[in-house]
Amino acid sequence: EAEVAQSPRYKITEKSQAVAFWCDPISGHATLYWYRQILGQGPELLVQFQDESVVDDSQLPKDRFSAERLKGVDSTLKIQPAELGDSAMYLCASSLALGLADPYNEQFFGPGTRLTVL
Amino acid sequence: QKEVEQNSGPLSVPEGAIASLNCTYSDRGSQSFFWYRQYSGKSPELIMSIYSNGDKEDGRFTAQLNKASQYVSLLIRDSQPSDSATYLCAVNVPPRGSGAGSYQLTFGKGTKLSVIP
Repeated sequence: EAEVAQSPRYKITEKSQAVAFWCDPISGHATLYWYRQILGQGPELLVQFQDESVVDDSQLPKDRFSAERLKGVDSTLKIQPAELGDSAMYLCASSLALGLADPYNEQFFGPGTRLTVL
Repeated sequence: QKEVEQNSGPLSVPEGAIASLNCTYSDRGSQSFFWYRQYSGKSPELIMSIYSNGDKEDGRFTAQLNKASQYVSLLIRDSQPSDSATYLCAVNVPPRGSGAGSYQLTFGKGTKLSVIP
């Protein structure tokens, strides 16, 4: 069964340290998303890629967060330096969107990375 | 006004009953609507999608959409303890402005459902 892969599953770090998360989307899915989910809230989009290009990073805190998808397949999300408020679940999702304006694309999530910043 | 609103619950139903979960959205241009199930500590799992007004049934789940009222619901028949989870309503909100852009999946806060044996 095709699944989105993420690693690590859990990460504990101290504030001011750097952390990185990795995601491998479902094979053939051109669109990849990174979300952040705070406990008790729904996921919120951080960044969206179409192939290797960033489509939307308007909600990515660019002073400390960066994301890349160099070959249009797997992706890395980095936080440097981490802050206490970054503690959350970081979710990667992918979809077989037919284009940017496809309103019907279904997104499938990976298992997520639970980040705790001490 | 939040774009997608759900009652946070908790909603408690006895085993075998029908659980009814509701969601309202604000952007009339939205065309696709999704329900995700999220167990505690796990990631969201897509369980239903609906695009047209009316009902869509899949096993014990029925999604209902009323675009005129901007209302989406999920019914779970014959509720089981294994259905206990948080249910997230998600709406694909169209791009803003006149420029090109992509639809953005916008989530409610979720409704926590407890099915009591």
